Amino acid sequence: SQTIHQWPATLVQPVGSPLSLECTVEGTSNPNLYWYRQAAGRGLQLLFYSVGIGQISSEVPQNLSASRPQDRQFILSSKKLLLSDSGFYLCAWSNKTPGGGETQYFGPGTRLLVL
Amino acid sequence: LAKTTQPISMDSYEGQEVNITCSHNNIATNDYITWYQQFPSQGPRFIIQGYKTKVTNEVASLFIPADRKSSTLSLPRVSLSDTAVYYCLVGGDFNKFYFGSGTKLNVKP
Repeated sequence: SQTIHQWPATLVQPVGSPLSLECTVEGTSNPNLYWYRQAAGRGLQLLFYSVGIGQISSEVPQNLSASRPQDRQFILSSKKLLLSDSGFYLCAWSNKTPGGGETQYFGPGTRLLVL
Repeated sequence: LAKTTQPISMDSYEGQEVNITCSHNNIATNDYITWYQQFPSQGPRFIIQGYKTKVTNEVASLFIPADRKSSTLSLPRVSLSDTAVYYCLVGGDFNKFYFGSGTKLNVKP
């Protein structure tokens, strides 16, 4: 069966510091990978998605970047964190399903607090 | 990108059936309808997905009328543990789902 891991679970960082959040998926190959952010009491905002190694698409201009160095690894980074980067970051994966009906499966999330 | 409209919140009591309706007037031909459940500080969990008519699994049913402009998630005999936020999403091939604010379901004893 497939599993998705995220770490760390929680993180407190000062403004201006760098960030690296990691997501890995097991039990599948060549998945689509996604990074979302969720503000308190709000829905999820898609930040980045990737259909393959080295292929990254950004949905919203951010102080963030993403990379996919391996098939089942997705990394979210920042060179200098802003207060507005605080939130709940979720990684998700899906199998490619031509014709629609693709389902995303989410990781446990990382709670980031920028002070 | 088809957007969705759901009630902000709903209250129910244990043992009742709960129906949450979602409007998606701009749904495209190849879009599927997917529902997720999210507990605080956890990632959303897939509940059910459908394209048309009715879909049922071990936890829920999904009713989709012929015009597909709305859908209804039905949770039979809810318990306190079903208290969560429920999201209705509409997406197609590439799954760039739009997550709205969802429906906060509060189940009371």
